[in-house]
Amino acid sequence: GDSVTQMEGPVTLSEEAFLTINCTYTATGYPSLFWYVQYPGEGLQLLLKATKADDKGSNKGFEATYRKETTSFHLEKGSVQVSDSAVYFCALRSQGGSEKLVFGKGTKLTVNP
Amino acid sequence: SQTIHQWPATLVQPVGSPLSLECTVEGTSNPNLYWYRQAAGRGLQLLFYSVGIGQISSEVPQNLSASRPQDRQFILSSKKLLLSDSGFYLCAWTRDTQETQYFGPGTRLLVL
Repeated sequence: GDSVTQMEGPVTLSEEAFLTINCTYTATGYPSLFWYVQYPGEGLQLLLKATKADDKGSNKGFEATYRKETTSFHLEKGSVQVSDSAVYFCALRSQGGSEKLVFGKGTKLTVNP
Repeated sequence: SQTIHQWPATLVQPVGSPLSLECTVEGTSNPNLYWYRQAAGRGLQLLFYSVGIGQISSEVPQNLSASRPQDRQFILSSKKLLLSDSGFYLCAWTRDTQETQYFGPGTRLLVL
């Protein structure tokens, strides 16, 4: 079945450092790909998404590019802030539409001042 | 605009007690609704989803059940809680299967 694998955390960075959180997936066809963010004590918020190969999703300085050849959707940000401290989830929805999202296990990011 | 509510925000219950968590969506009609559980140190697990009133699909066998008595109301229940039911429960909705899922603020459940 479909699955998502994220790099294990926790990840700890200093403010203004470069961030990469790796995400790879297993799915047939062309799934839609998502990054969600969960701030402490809150629910999940959609951060960005991409629905076809080579699409780049971006929001709040974060970017991720849908790479079909490597089945990846890595999250990047050039300069992190303390306020970016959160848990980040990579997810996919199978091609053709599906009622279900498949999530990775999440990566906790802590940014220190 | 659409909003999704969950309550209670936090709940502490003894083992063997019943459970009822409520999720409601405002500003839309006939949404698809979802219940997820996030256990400590683990990812999100889809528990139930519903595409309409009275229509419930269960993803994993467990001690929980779900109901959808109204179009925009989704309830998660248990007759007797287990310690392993502790976790963070998230409700989500979409307009249809092609769109992004939007999540509620969650309910933190601790079973003692």
